[in-house]
Amino acid sequence: ETGVTQTPRHLVMGMTNKKSLKCEQHLGHNAMYWYKQSAKKPLELMFVYNFKEQTENNSVPSRFSPECPNSSHLFLHLHTLQPEDSALYLCASSVRDGSYNEQFFGPGTRLTVL
Amino acid sequence: DAKTTQPPSMDCAEGRAANLPCNHSTISGNEYVYWYRQIHSQGPQYIIHGLKNNETNEMASLIITEDRKSSTLILPHATLRDTAVYYCIVRVSISGSRLTFGEGTQLTVNP
Repeated sequence: ETGVTQTPRHLVMGMTNKKSLKCEQHLGHNAMYWYKQSAKKPLELMFVYNFKEQTENNSVPSRFSPECPNSSHLFLHLHTLQPEDSALYLCASSVRDGSYNEQFFGPGTRLTVL
Repeated sequence: DAKTTQPPSMDCAEGRAANLPCNHSTISGNEYVYWYRQIHSQGPQYIIHGLKNNETNEMASLIITEDRKSSTLILPHATLRDTAVYYCIVRVSISGSRLTFGEGTQLTVNP
C-alpha cells in the first residue's frame, strides 16, 4: 500500500463510451500526476497538477480530460477513445511538484478500448 | 535532464547481492540520481535517491562514483520478490522537472 488508490483497477470500454478514472491519495501531498504505460513502452507523463492547478499537459489528445477538484483527488475523464489508447494508466503524488521527494504511485488502471 | 544508460537485463541468484549499474555521464551538478522499480503490472515504487554521497536505506544502497558519471544500485540479499524492472533517473529538484522513465533493467532473481 503506497497511500495512493486508483479505481477501477480494470476497465473495458467501447470507442463511443465515456468513462472516468479516479485517483485518491491519503498522504497529504500537493502534486498529482497521470502517466500512461503502453505495452513494452516506457512510462509517459500525461498531466501534472500542483496545488490543484494544472501545470503540465504533455501534448495529450483532448479525448483525455483531467480534473483535480482538490489536492487529494484526481480524475481522468475519457471519451471517444481509440484502441491504441489501451494501456496501464498510473496516478502518482508527491509532496509538491519538482521536489526531491519521491513520487508515490498507485496500482494503475488497466484500460482496454475495443 | 541528463540521459541514463542501463543494461536491458540482468540475472541474479536468490540470496546474492544484485548490483545494477547506471551510466549518466552528462549529469549536471544539481541533478539527483533516483532509482525506482516496477514489478510486473504494478505502479513504480521509489527505492532510493542521492546527489553526491552514497546512500543506504532499508531497501537498497546507492553508490555514486566520485565524478558522478555513474552509479550502482545494490540489493544486498536479492529475493524472488525483487524481480522487476529497475529504472535509473536523473533530474534536478525544481518545479517543472520531470521523472523521465527510460527502458530500465529487467532484473530476474532466480531460485
